[in-house]
Amino acid sequence: DTEVTQTPKHLVMGMTNKKSLKCEQHMGHRAMYWYKQKAKKPPELMFVYSYEKLSINESVPSRFSPECPNSSLLNLHLHALQPEDSALYLCASSQGAGWNSPLHFGNGTRLTVT
Amino acid sequence: GESVGLHLPTLSVQEGDNSIINCAYSNSASDYFIWYKQESGKGPQFIIDIRSNMDKRQGQRVTVLLNKTVKHLSLQIAATQPGDSAVYFCAENMEGGSNYKLTFGKGTLLTVNP
Repeated sequence: DTEVTQTPKHLVMGMTNKKSLKCEQHMGHRAMYWYKQKAKKPPELMFVYSYEKLSINESVPSRFSPECPNSSLLNLHLHALQPEDSALYLCASSQGAGWNSPLHFGNGTRLTVT
Repeated sequence: GESVGLHLPTLSVQEGDNSIINCAYSNSASDYFIWYKQESGKGPQFIIDIRSNMDKRQGQRVTVLLNKTVKHLSLQIAATQPGDSAVYFCAENMEGGSNYKLTFGKGTLLTVNP
């Protein structure tokens, strides 16, 4: 079990649907991250939140919209996705985005876009 | 561009042997490195980290070595067990200060034969 909880574990959505991925941590971490991982590839950074503010957006298409309601929660809102967006979406947290501390990952949401 | 890479994409060892997984990095400004283990269906799991002011760090059955002269990182696993079978990623923080961009290498699949 991990200390970063992601829901749902699996999600299938059509290209016209709107859905949200959720992530929660209670370790008191002040930085949270979204990564995307395709099969047999390393995780790729999408967004970084530091102290509930978006600090890094790696040129992610606007059909992905992150939200950090508070220091424990991170959401990723999905709208008008494409089949190539199918992937494992990983949430992570760390003590602080400016500190050299390890990221703690959840087990991800396996997203399939049909 | 600068990136983290691995010399061996796959590694097969016998149970009880020692394993060595290598990683080359090209960004001399990187100041923090992490090794992650990812099992099938799970998120990356932190193994060990090392800062650029260190050459070696030991954990339980694992040792990370950092050679800044040749920009090389390695993970040594002692007495490898079947449970060690997974994909191993090295990751580097390519930016210091207030920006924390953890970038992953390609990964090495470790298979432990009983």
